[in-house]
Amino acid sequence: GDSVTQMEGPVTLSEEAFLTINCTYTATGYPSLFWYVQYPGEGLQLLLKATKADDKGSNKGFEATYRKETTSFHLEKGSVQVSDSAVYFCALTVNQAGTALIFGKGTTLSVSS
Amino acid sequence: DAGVIQSPRHEVTEMGQEVTLRCKPISGHNSLFWYRQTMMRGLELLIYFNNNVPIDDSGMPEDRFSAKMPNASFSTLKIQPSEPRDSAVYFCASRTSGAYEQYFGPGTRLTVT
Repeated sequence: GDSVTQMEGPVTLSEEAFLTINCTYTATGYPSLFWYVQYPGEGLQLLLKATKADDKGSNKGFEATYRKETTSFHLEKGSVQVSDSAVYFCALTVNQAGTALIFGKGTTLSVSS
Repeated sequence: DAGVIQSPRHEVTEMGQEVTLRCKPISGHNSLFWYRQTMMRGLELLIYFNNNVPIDDSGMPEDRFSAKMPNASFSTLKIQPSEPRDSAVYFCASRTSGAYEQYFGPGTRLTVT
């Protein structure tokens, strides 16, 4: 079945360090890919998305490129801030109409000053 | 503009009691999703509705769980009887037709003792 695999955390970085969180997927058909972020005590928020191969999603300095050949959607940020500390979820949906998201298990990021 | 509203935010109950979680989706959204989040299993889809009709309830763990959506602005998730292994954070999310993004509520943290 369809699934998402993320690198296990926690990831601990110093402020201004480079961030990569790996995400790979298995899906039938042509999925759309997403990164959601969950700040402490809150629900999930969409961070960025890509709906077809080679698309790059970006938001708030984060970016991820939909790589069909490697079935990957790695999240990157050039310089993290303390305020980026959160749990990051990679997710996919196989088609747009009415289908729920399939999430990875989440990666906790902790950034210290 | 109000987001997805969930109540209660926290619920502590004893094993065997009935628990009802409530969700009000964003006005105009016609898809509603219930998720459960635990450390062990991550974020799991329980059930989702399109236009108030349950589409996929394969994620509902067992008959103790039931969900209803009597109208476009309200949904409930009921657990009867509750068990300690039901302790988790339960999220509701909604989405408008044709869109990818799901909007999550703040969640209900359920503790069953």
